Amino acid sequence: QVQLQESGPGLVEPSETLSLTCTVSGGSISTYYWSWIRQPPGKGLEWIGYIHYSGSTNHNPSLTSRLIISLDTSRNQFSLKLSSVTAADTAVYFCARGSPIPDTWGQGTLVTVSA
Amino acid sequence: EIVMTQSPATLSVSPGERTTLSCRASQSVDSNLAWYQHKPGQAPRFLMSGASTRATGIPARFSGSGSGTEFTLTITSLQSEDFAVYYCQQYNKWPPTFGQGTKVDIK
Repeated sequence: QVQLQESGPGLVEPSETLSLTCTVSGGSISTYYWSWIRQPPGKGLEWIGYIHYSGSTNHNPSLTSRLIISLDTSRNQFSLKLSSVTAADTAVYFCARGSPIPDTWGQGTLVTVSA
Repeated sequence: EIVMTQSPATLSVSPGERTTLSCRASQSVDSNLAWYQHKPGQAPRFLMSGASTRATGIPARFSGSGSGTEFTLTITSLQSEDFAVYYCQQYNKWPPTFGQGTKVDIK
């Protein structure tokens, strides 16, 4: 069955860009929608955005000015770039298959924004 | 955006018991509601959508109900593997939003 794995730096400095990649195994990325969701410590889940295999995207309006989601079909990966980060962007970041109903998730990766 | 409120924050339940989790939306989401189960260090697990349609492989002891603004997730005869945090999510309006979660722990 399809599996997803997030990867990227666990520590990002304030004002820098947070970059994460999700590697999809056991299935092709050239179908479905692919999503990013995050969970700040002690808080609930927040939808970040999605990308369709066609390349179309949709972002949470609260993040759209800082956000880029992209797809690399040759590597079966999709990526997240969030610019100008602050401590409020510290969270566990999940990648998932599907939008608006993610039916398969990665385990998540903690990203801390700190100097 | 639509605010989802789950109650209670924590439920202490004995194995074998039945339990009901509540989820309320700040405005109607029709039946566009999903539930997820999350255990520490694991990937969240999709349980159901359409408020009551179980995902593939989800045991029948999990059932959902409701529409509009009030929803419930019922777990009959709790098993050891069911102790986890449960989240509801509306997908009626963009962006999809989640509740804060209900933790079901062992009594």
